[in-house]
Amino acid sequence: GAVVSQHPSWVICKSGTSVKIECRSLDFQATTMFWYRQFPKQSLMLMATSNEGSKATYEQGVEKDKFLINHASLTLSTLTVTSAHPEDSSFYICSASLTAGQGYIQPQHFGDGTRLSIL
Amino acid sequence: AQTVTQSQPEMSVQEAETVTLSCTYDTSENNYYLFWYKQPPSRQMILVIRQEAYKQQNATENRFSVNFQKAAKSFSLKISDSQLGDTAMYFCAFMKTSGTYKYIFGTGTRLKVLA
Repeated sequence: GAVVSQHPSWVICKSGTSVKIECRSLDFQATTMFWYRQFPKQSLMLMATSNEGSKATYEQGVEKDKFLINHASLTLSTLTVTSAHPEDSSFYICSASLTAGQGYIQPQHFGDGTRLSIL
Repeated sequence: AQTVTQSQPEMSVQEAETVTLSCTYDTSENNYYLFWYKQPPSRQMILVIRQEAYKQQNATENRFSVNFQKAAKSFSLKISDSQLGDTAMYFCAFMKTSGTYKYIFGTGTRLKVLA
């Protein structure tokens, strides 16, 4: 159980295009979804936290207009990198969690990540 | 603000031996969760083990166990009978039990299991 699907796994596109990454919780309803960015040989950097039906909360230094996050349902969140440039090339990972009542907190379940390369 | 420190950037261990990865954290919270995640070369994040701060008993999962020292704010991971498949980056993560439930990750330890 607790499977998170992320698509696409790898995308290459030209500078200036927008790229959408999908994150789906396949067998549970995710109260909260998280988007991370990971540079080579480094840790995961949280970009934003999204709750279904509300605006995402972005971490300091993350451009809201650059990285658009939509969490339209309890099973789907999307990250759109707008007008992507080579410096946006990175590995992006989503995660999802379900908090089922006070005292029981599930760990985050991660997607397999998306390798984004901007030419 | 919470911080998580992993002081060992790289470690190696012989197959079948035991290795311990260290993690310390700083927080003023009394209730929280701690996790160890493994990220193999495939880059998938895999939950290894979790520990609730209110539990005094150390968590164990087969060959993986933790030494949780709440007063010292230490959360080390012990891997027994190391296997080649254990080769990966290991991340320690802290999570409050209130608010957004977001993780604070350490910088990671790269573990290599040698044949």
